[in-house]
Amino acid sequence: QVQLVESGGSVVQPGRSLRLSCAASGVTFNRYGMYWVRQAPGKGLEWVAVISFDGSNRHYPDSVKGRFTISRDNSKNTLYLQMDSLRPEDTAVYYCAKSSSSSGYHSRFDRWGQGTLVSVSS
Amino acid sequence: DIQMTQSPSTLSASVGDRVTIACRASQNIANYLAWYQQKPGSAPKLLIFEASNLESGVPSRFSGAGYGTDFALTISSLQADDFATYYCQQYDDYWTFGQGTKVEIK
Repeated sequence: QVQLVESGGSVVQPGRSLRLSCAASGVTFNRYGMYWVRQAPGKGLEWVAVISFDGSNRHYPDSVKGRFTISRDNSKNTLYLQMDSLRPEDTAVYYCAKSSSSSGYHSRFDRWGQGTLVSVSS
Repeated sequence: DIQMTQSPSTLSASVGDRVTIACRASQNIANYLAWYQQKPGSAPKLLIFEASNLESGVPSRFSGAGYGTDFALTISSLQADDFATYYCQQYDDYWTFGQGTKVEIK
């Protein structure tokens, strides 16, 4: 059974950095693309980052490009999201999700973690 | 960027009702369309992929249809466990979600 467990969320001041982690189990982690998705309080879902199975391809929406970096350590079955220059509008629950394909592209999100809350406030 | 528009935003229904949620893409996405269910305090759960394929373990009362720009999720007989928010998602050009449809008890 696939399990994705996020950690690292906390309260942080604007302009500071934070790194989220997502530990995967019950899946051959190095075979699948992975994503980060966020949900602001009371709002809908927003895709934040994608990384291919081997880390060779990564993409971001304009809202986080240049500030967020997705990475993975396949030896540790762990996905990361480095968030720099945080803004109040980055406040959200951050979910990691697994792709149904190796590249991550043209693919749905077939398993999700439970999420970790990031609050950006002074 | 591809925009996804769901209707209605809120749907009031009773157990046993047949309900349909619509989703429209701002451009042709072929069948690169998924539906997710989210309950309060929980992560989204994949229900339907490629517009009409039922994810393993999802009850058969859920079905999806459509191609191109217009799609629909139908619950044939609403159960108590189905009261939740539903999102459509395109995955033809990166990923975009609809704004969500809350299915509430009438």
